[in-house]
Amino acid sequence: EIVLTQSPATLSLSPGERATLSCRASQSVSSYLAWYQQKPGQAPRLLIYDASNRATGIPARFSGSGSGTDFTLTISSLEPEDFAVYYCQQRSNWAITFGQGTRLEIK
Amino acid sequence: QVQLVESGGGLVKPGGSLRLSCAASGFTFSDYYMSWIRQAPGKGLEWVSYISSSSSYTNYADSVKGRFTISRDNAKNSLYLQMNSLRAEDTAVYYCARWLLRRFDYWGQGTLVTVSS
Repeated sequence: EIVLTQSPATLSLSPGERATLSCRASQSVSSYLAWYQQKPGQAPRLLIYDASNRATGIPARFSGSGSGTDFTLTISSLEPEDFAVYYCQQRSNWAITFGQGTRLEIK
Repeated sequence: QVQLVESGGGLVKPGGSLRLSCAASGFTFSDYYMSWIRQAPGKGLEWVSYISSSSSYTNYADSVKGRFTISRDNAKNSLYLQMNSLRAEDTAVYYCARWLLRRFDYWGQGTLVTVSS
């Protein structure tokens, strides 16, 4: 099973700042990595798929990069509604795993 | 628009059974793989199971293998999860999600399953 490790566990920033979230895989997942946002009491929402493609309706301030084992989700300028928990996810050998999440909180 | 609505959650005793349902609308259900994902209270996301569009293929997380069974009825646009031999650690919100080429592109709002005596 491929393990995804997200860092940091918690990120404290202010609106308008740039956020950089990391996801590292225990072995290569090529570019087959997705990112999700989850707000309290809500279902997760797909943000990025295949490492760098924004999902439908996702604002351009969200971007993803990386391949192999190291991936990054960047939010260029934080809006108040961006403070949430973010998860990465991969699929390999027909098993699916998620990272443990990064909580993005208001400083 | 795509909608996924889960139902069937509730309180069940350890060792008991429960069947979850997910009603899909707004897309051609029979064209897509579907999946269940769960989230224990205050914890992260855990993939549980998926099923192919024609029910030919299924797969399960090791934590539920042999206890849970995923199925679907394409005529009724519905996905199911039969959960047997439930344990306290199965307590979670269970989400139904559409699977599209390596990602979950739509999610339901979830149904809470509590396993407790």
